[in-house]
Amino acid sequence: DIVMTQSPDSLAVSLGERATINCKSSQSVLFSSNNKNYLAWYQQTPGQPPKLLIYWASTRDSGVPDRFSGSGSGTDFTLTISNLQAEDVAVYYCQQYYSTPYTFGQGTKLEIK
Amino acid sequence: EVQLVESGGGLVQPGGSLRLSCAASGFTFSTYWMHWVRQTPGKGLVWVSRINSDGTTTTYADSVKGRFTISRDNAKNTLYLQMNSLRAEDTAVYYCARATTVTSLSFGYWGQGILVTVSS
Repeated sequence: DIVMTQSPDSLAVSLGERATINCKSSQSVLFSSNNKNYLAWYQQTPGQPPKLLIYWASTRDSGVPDRFSGSGSGTDFTLTISNLQAEDVAVYYCQQYYSTPYTFGQGTKLEIK
Repeated sequence: EVQLVESGGGLVQPGGSLRLSCAASGFTFSTYWMHWVRQTPGKGLVWVSRINSDGTTTTYADSVKGRFTISRDNAKNTLYLQMNSLRAEDTAVYYCARATTVTSLSFGYWGQGILVTVSS
């Protein structure tokens, strides 16, 4: 199984500042035949299902503000949230869909400082 | 608007069975891979199972293989999860999820989730 490890487990960032969440996979999730990274990011607020933010490591889902961006390739990925807003308080998960069992990171809790 | 609505959860004794349903609307159900994902406070999000668009291919997490069966009825736009031999560790909120696109197997749409509690 591919193990997904996020860092940090939690972070506090001031409004208007930038938040950076890292995700590392135990093996590459880059599919060589199409040069796509099978990596997604989700946001989950209390009592709600996860919401897809980013797929293919860097493609924003429809309607996701451009403050959210994804980067990285192979085994190392980053979710960056610029100009942090109060509504961004949530738990963020990375997930690989390169191979089954699809696996998620443990989550990163983002709070306002 | 894409909608996924789970039902069938509840309290069941260890060793018992439940069948979850996920009613889909707002999209061509028969076109997309579908998934079940569960979440517990202690273990976060765990993928459970997937099924391809026509129901001919299914895959399971090792923890549920041989006990859970995923299926779909494209005529009824409904996804199912038959859960047998339930254990305490199956207690979780279960979500159905749709693939983001026909070609991307990320989980673009989620239901609200349904709680399954396995306890005597």
